[in-house]
Amino acid sequence: GIQVEQSPPDLILQEGANSTLRCNFSDSVNNLQWFHQNPWGQLINLFYIPSGTKQNGRLSATTVATERYSLLYISSSQTTDSGVYFCAVLGSEYQLIWGAGTKLIIKP
Amino acid sequence: DAGITQSPRHKVTETGTPVTLRCHQTENHRYMYWYRQDPGHGLRLIHYSYGVKDTDKGEVSDGYSVSRSKTEDFLLTLESATSSQTSVYFCAISPSYEQYFGPGTRLTVT
Repeated sequence: GIQVEQSPPDLILQEGANSTLRCNFSDSVNNLQWFHQNPWGQLINLFYIPSGTKQNGRLSATTVATERYSLLYISSSQTTDSGVYFCAVLGSEYQLIWGAGTKLIIKP
Repeated sequence: DAGITQSPRHKVTETGTPVTLRCHQTENHRYMYWYRQDPGHGLRLIHYSYGVKDTDKGEVSDGYSVSRSKTEDFLLTLESATSSQTSVYFCAISPSYEQYFGPGTRLTVT
């Protein structure tokens, strides 16, 4: 089955810094999502991005499907950006296959 | 706001007791899902539904059953809870290609 790997596993930054999170997947996909799980456990949809680039405020994402990776950019980090960032791709039988996540800590 | 609620939000139960978790959507979407999230495993699919009375198993369905008698409600039942079912349970809906998640239910089986 499809494997999804995320890097780095952990990231600690000062408020105001920029960061890039990476998601690699082992097979071609036509469905990729990025999520933020906040410290209270809520899963928040960030992007649905099977290919191309999208931006939403300080966040943007790029997926290069032919090279099997996606990047999530966070600019001017704020403490509220802390949490775990997951990418997930749709496998067989409508199952989302998840990466292990990147745990981001933004220090004030 | 994807219009998904889960109840209860927290539950502590004893081994061997039946437990039912409810997922309710206000949006009338066809696809609904139940996942569990455990440390070190990410989210894993338990069951999913593609319409009223149409359900199928996911990756970790043993020990769980589901029912969907109305479009808006998807129930997850643990017939006889075990300590290994202590977890956070998330419901999701899928309007098209994306999945949106409810707030989660934290279940502890003692």
